[in-house]
Amino acid sequence: DVKVTQSSRYLVKRTGEKVFLECVQDMDHENMFWYRQDPGLGLRLIYFSYDVKMKEKGDIPEGYSVSREKKERFSLILESASTNQTSMYLCASGLPGAGNTIYFGEGSWLTVV
Amino acid sequence: LAKTTQPISMDSYEGQEVNITCSHNNIATNDYITWYQQFPSQGPRFIIQGYKTKVTNEVASLFIPADRKSSTLSLPRVSLSDTAVYYCLVVDAGNNRKLIWGLGTSLAVNP
Repeated sequence: DVKVTQSSRYLVKRTGEKVFLECVQDMDHENMFWYRQDPGLGLRLIYFSYDVKMKEKGDIPEGYSVSREKKERFSLILESASTNQTSMYLCASGLPGAGNTIYFGEGSWLTVV
Repeated sequence: LAKTTQPISMDSYEGQEVNITCSHNNIATNDYITWYQQFPSQGPRFIIQGYKTKVTNEVASLFIPADRKSSTLSLPRVSLSDTAVYYCLVVDAGNNRKLIWGLGTSLAVNP
């Protein structure tokens, strides 16, 4: 089974803190994604990466950055957390051209106070 | 840009067949239409995908008409454990092959 592991399930951070959300996949997938999920807004793409050190902005990249130094690891960084970034963050991975079969982690619930 | 529309919520009873339809336009002609299921506090998981006509697996069936402007996820004989949010996922017809998610249909299965 494909496994996408997000390092933290629940985090509480203070406004202005730098926050790192880590994601690791074990299937040698080229593509990795970070989504944000909020009630009524569905899944919104923050960033995705199609190869090591490559990244593309998604629909809502403002306030976020990403890092992909190794193929299996994709990190989401909140440079200066704000209360409007309180949300559920989902990491996913998949193969290019494999239909739309992507695999998600369990999610990270971030609360910024 | 491709656009998807699916009902916000649906109610059903155990043992019934449930059909959830997603309307989509401007989707890529050579890509799959995919459905995902999400339980509370978990990430979405793949259920089924198809290109056209009908696809069936051990969990669900997927019906896609020839014009591919919609797709219908069919869950046979639902149980309480099928209570979840169901998302359709399509690929935009543009060159960047952007993934377009529906907003999800919250299915409640009642005893």
